[in-house]
Amino acid sequence: AQRVTQPEKLLSVFKGAPVELKCNYSYSGSPELFWYVQYSRQRLQLLLRHISRESIKGFTADLNKGETSFHLKKPFAQEEDSAMYYCALRESDGGSQGNLIFGKGTKLSVKP
Amino acid sequence: SAVISQKPSRDICQRGTSLTIQCQVDSQVTMMFWYRQQPGQSLTLIATANQGSEATYESGFVIDKFPISRPNLTFSTLTVSNMSPEDSSIYLCSVVYNEQFFGPGTRLTVL
Repeated sequence: AQRVTQPEKLLSVFKGAPVELKCNYSYSGSPELFWYVQYSRQRLQLLLRHISRESIKGFTADLNKGETSFHLKKPFAQEEDSAMYYCALRESDGGSQGNLIFGKGTKLSVKP
Repeated sequence: SAVISQKPSRDICQRGTSLTIQCQVDSQVTMMFWYRQQPGQSLTLIATANQGSEATYESGFVIDKFPISRPNLTFSTLTVSNMSPEDSSIYLCSVVYNEQFFGPGTRLTVL
């Protein structure tokens, strides 16, 4: 069963529009949730994690345990936000420290 | 942060051959991870490479197909053995060093 679901393969918005990349997860314990980003021709890198409750590059994500969601949001998208975004879950009681389970990714395209 | 390099960055191989991918980290780390990202798919963990012990493989991956070496705390290799076109993928090395870092990946195409 898929543990991390990103329902949208592609999300296209105009510059300045709000953006929300959806992520739902399936895990019975207390998960750690992350968003990773991969810009064109760059390596995968951490964008933010739920335990930090921080805003990075204007992006925020709130863990909603009731809805088992961890959607990524930004009020005003910029062209440089165009990238692949991956939601990931780390099992808090997993045998492999740092073992991340990834969603299939959403490609965000911000048009001028 | 941890800086990870991988060799080769890409390769095109013939069916039935093997390819060894190298991963070098600029910091000593306890565990290194190997992921696979098939076209249009998510990243899937292949195995965890432990220094001084056998690698731990995830369901669906076996040592005969993906032998791993971990001779020290900064280096690991992943071999893709007896390749078939289904092995065409990007192979990523990753480490946890305060946070999880990823290498640039090795793009493998099997003809």
